[in-house]
Amino acid sequence: NAGVTQTPKFRVLKTGQSMTLLCAQDMNHEYMYWYRQDPGMGLRLIHYSVGEGTTAKGEVPDGYNVSRLKKQNFLLGLESAAPSQTSVYFCASSNSRRTDTQYFGPGTRLTVL
Amino acid sequence: QKEVEQDPGPLSVPEGAIVSLNCTYSNSAFQYFMWYRQYSRKGPELLMYTYSSGNKEDGRFTAQVDKSSKYISLFIRDSQPSDSATYLCATISTSGTYKYIFGTGTRLKVLA
Repeated sequence: NAGVTQTPKFRVLKTGQSMTLLCAQDMNHEYMYWYRQDPGMGLRLIHYSVGEGTTAKGEVPDGYNVSRLKKQNFLLGLESAAPSQTSVYFCASSNSRRTDTQYFGPGTRLTVL
Repeated sequence: QKEVEQDPGPLSVPEGAIVSLNCTYSNSAFQYFMWYRQYSRKGPELLMYTYSSGNKEDGRFTAQVDKSSKYISLFIRDSQPSDSATYLCATISTSGTYKYIFGTGTRLKVLA
């Protein structure tokens, strides 16, 4: 099993450009999450999904959109990138109980110039 | 006040030392506590998962929860250079949202 995979691993954008980050999991997990990790801030939840076709806002959702068209995939979109969105983005997935363990992907390093 | 506080370090210890990593939390209703290990340029991976108070041991690692003082600890015995990583403590929100609350992480370096 690959677990949680993320594409791409690295990306450099110019201010105003758009991009989509792809997360895929092969563990048949119901729940998926997008986090960003910044120095001194820890992991902050951007958006999450509790099942195919559902999405919900997390702690820092502004400037991001998400979609969960298939159970195994969770997409994070940046419509108009800003330098403040320079960060490392992690996707995670878990089973359906609130207390179930979250499994993380390897991350995407995004720089917005 | 942050819901989970963690000293960022860095913490440098010699190989073989006992390491103590700590977090404090603000909400006495929190019951589930995790420690994640994150190697440089990798995603966090679950190391220990505990419920309520007490100790849990797994090999060289012991997780301890003291609910009276709202303090959680991770002890690493016989530390190895391969333990060099950032350690994140986490708990689970008691509200309706599916939210993990993470500490900022403590960077540990074990010197050979």
